[in-house]
Amino acid sequence: GAGVSQSPRYKVAKRGQDVALRCDPISGHVSLFWYQQALGQGPEFLTYFQNEAQLDKSGLPSDRFFAERPEGSVSTLKIQRTQQEDSAVYLCASSLITGGYTEAFFGQGTRLTVV
Amino acid sequence: AQKITQTQPGMFVQEKEAVTLDCTYDTSDQSYGLFWYKQPSSGEMIFLIYQGSYDEQNATEGRYSLNFQKARKSANLVISASQLGDSAMYFCAVPYSGAGSYQLTFGKGTKLSVIP
Repeated sequence: GAGVSQSPRYKVAKRGQDVALRCDPISGHVSLFWYQQALGQGPEFLTYFQNEAQLDKSGLPSDRFFAERPEGSVSTLKIQRTQQEDSAVYLCASSLITGGYTEAFFGQGTRLTVV
Repeated sequence: AQKITQTQPGMFVQEKEAVTLDCTYDTSDQSYGLFWYKQPSSGEMIFLIYQGSYDEQNATEGRYSLNFQKARKSANLVISASQLGDSAMYFCAVPYSGAGSYQLTFGKGTKLSVIP
């Protein structure tokens, strides 16, 4: 596709359930980012991939959060044993090159609600 | 680390009028850039405009322009001739290079409402 695609768009999970969120970046984009956006806030950085390598995971809030990008394209963000505080929109972004100040293209996000 | 401040939680503007959205930033980087993104109710973050700290002239993209004042660490977005479709959240963001990932640090955003 032409843009960054995320699925599902909406996810309702019972507390304690595991969830997996998918991101399809723009083809050929080297860099991939995950952000978490709480209601009424700006997005906050979670983790960064350069191709298949996860170079920065400093923003992951706990060890219940795990991300992978095994073949350097599609990425999955997994949250284990979801808690109510995990309710947020999860945004994925990709950019063509590493470093510098290149434009990041965002997907529409996955809205996760934990009940 | 970076800190981005957007002091206007909400703004109203009459259709066809110009509006200025404020952003101040605090960064320890010598060379940096600043992005503005628009987020409509659909949720997607849409890139609007970018300026690097060493760019001589203020950036302009169609109806969007940046009023970049480095000494004041201010980078306000000016939208001219507002349209109903401009109603959205607007976020200012600065890349953080400390961890080598050029992740974006965002402000809390300003909700712009365009009145017909």
